[in-house]
Amino acid sequence: GAVVSQHPSWVICKSGTSVKIECRSLDFQATTMFWYRQFPKQSLMLMATSNEGSKATYEQGVEKDKFLINHASLTLSTLTVTSAHPEDSSFYICSAGTSGGFNQETQYFGPGTRLLVL
Amino acid sequence: GQSLEQPSEVTAVEGAIVQINCTYQTSGFYGLSWYQQHDGGAPTFLSYNALDGLEETGRFSSFLSRSDSYGYLLLQELQMKDSASYFCAYSDRGSTLGRLYFGRGTQLTVWP
Repeated sequence: GAVVSQHPSWVICKSGTSVKIECRSLDFQATTMFWYRQFPKQSLMLMATSNEGSKATYEQGVEKDKFLINHASLTLSTLTVTSAHPEDSSFYICSAGTSGGFNQETQYFGPGTRLLVL
Repeated sequence: GQSLEQPSEVTAVEGAIVQINCTYQTSGFYGLSWYQQHDGGAPTFLSYNALDGLEETGRFSSFLSRSDSYGYLLLQELQMKDSASYFCAYSDRGSTLGRLYFGRGTQLTVWP
């Protein structure tokens, strides 16, 4: 099956710094990538949809200036948490997929990045 | 608005059968997906129902009734490794590539 990687797998940073998380589709070209956030023992919450070469579409309540998303190529999307604060500490998960007829479409999840802001 | 409701916890013993229900309320419903997530891991796709009825994949089956806005995941011959969180989710388009909105998850604990 298709593989999606994330880097780093975990990161600890000081409050006020920015953190960049990479999401890569390793063996396929992803026309669409999604970013989710998950707090402990809670559900995955969709943050934004990222299409290659265009601006990301953010879900209601997600600050686009705080969570910068770039999808510069068909295999890479990045999420930058700017001026991170302790409340941004969470598990960030990306997923990726390729459109190609509804019977073939699916999205594959990355292993997640655990962010701890001190 | 949009919402998915599922039980927070379910426990069962090895070899048993367990059913995890999911009711949803949303506009623009296309289909219901189920995902498994072990602690600290990524969600793993289990099944997708676009049409009413039962989909069977090995020990796991999923059912959908669009008229009742209801679905369930059925796990048979439970094994210890099935202990995980299970999420129902719906997509905003007629495939599993759309934006996914997840339920709160059901923590399944399988006892020996």
